[in-house]
Amino acid sequence: EAQVTQNPRYLITVTGKKLTVTCSQNMNHEYMSWYRQDPGLGLRQIYYSMNVEVTDKGDVPEGYKVSRKEKRNFPLILESPSPNQTSLYFCASSPLAGLQFFGPGTRLTVL
Amino acid sequence: KQEVTQIPAALSVPEGENLVLNCSFTDSAIYNLQWFRQDPGKGLTSLLLIQSSQREQTSGRLNASLDKSSGRSTLYIAASQPGDSATYLCAVPSGGYQKVTFGTGTKLQVIP
Repeated sequence: EAQVTQNPRYLITVTGKKLTVTCSQNMNHEYMSWYRQDPGLGLRQIYYSMNVEVTDKGDVPEGYKVSRKEKRNFPLILESPSPNQTSLYFCASSPLAGLQFFGPGTRLTVL
Repeated sequence: KQEVTQIPAALSVPEGENLVLNCSFTDSAIYNLQWFRQDPGKGLTSLLLIQSSQREQTSGRLNASLDKSSGRSTLYIAASQPGDSATYLCAVPSGGYQKVTFGTGTKLQVIP
């Protein structure tokens, strides 16, 4: 089954404790992206990647890191999480300029 | 910077009605436009993708149109059903197709 998977689905952590949210797709898509969704602010793009070793900032990259060492994986790293990073996170993938497919989301709470 | 607006923010209609959702964007130099639906507490489901060279795209009871020159897209839902109740989002790439900006969404309720 073609899909985008994210892990963990739910995470509660404390300020400053490094964490990684994994994202993997099995559709051989070139493009992958991370978004956060907040009430009243909607979906905002954090980082995107057009291919292996090619990443770039979206609208809200501060406090986040990404890497794209393999085509199928695009992890989101929070080196020192803060409470304002409490949010619902989505990973997505697509062919270049194609239909985006979204993962199920990761609900992160930073205390 | 691309700005995307969706009007109305919320809509409540009786079952069976045809309805139109609107999406406006400020930068008309776009590669494509995509429509999604999001159910409460769930992820996003892709509905339709319209390439910049297309004017319309259809899938079942859904029809999306794109007018780049006026910076508008509409999503037409025919014969609405309670199962159509969800938030509908449009998404527009900018700066090529890499950066994506989402609209604020229209929350649709179809009343049986």
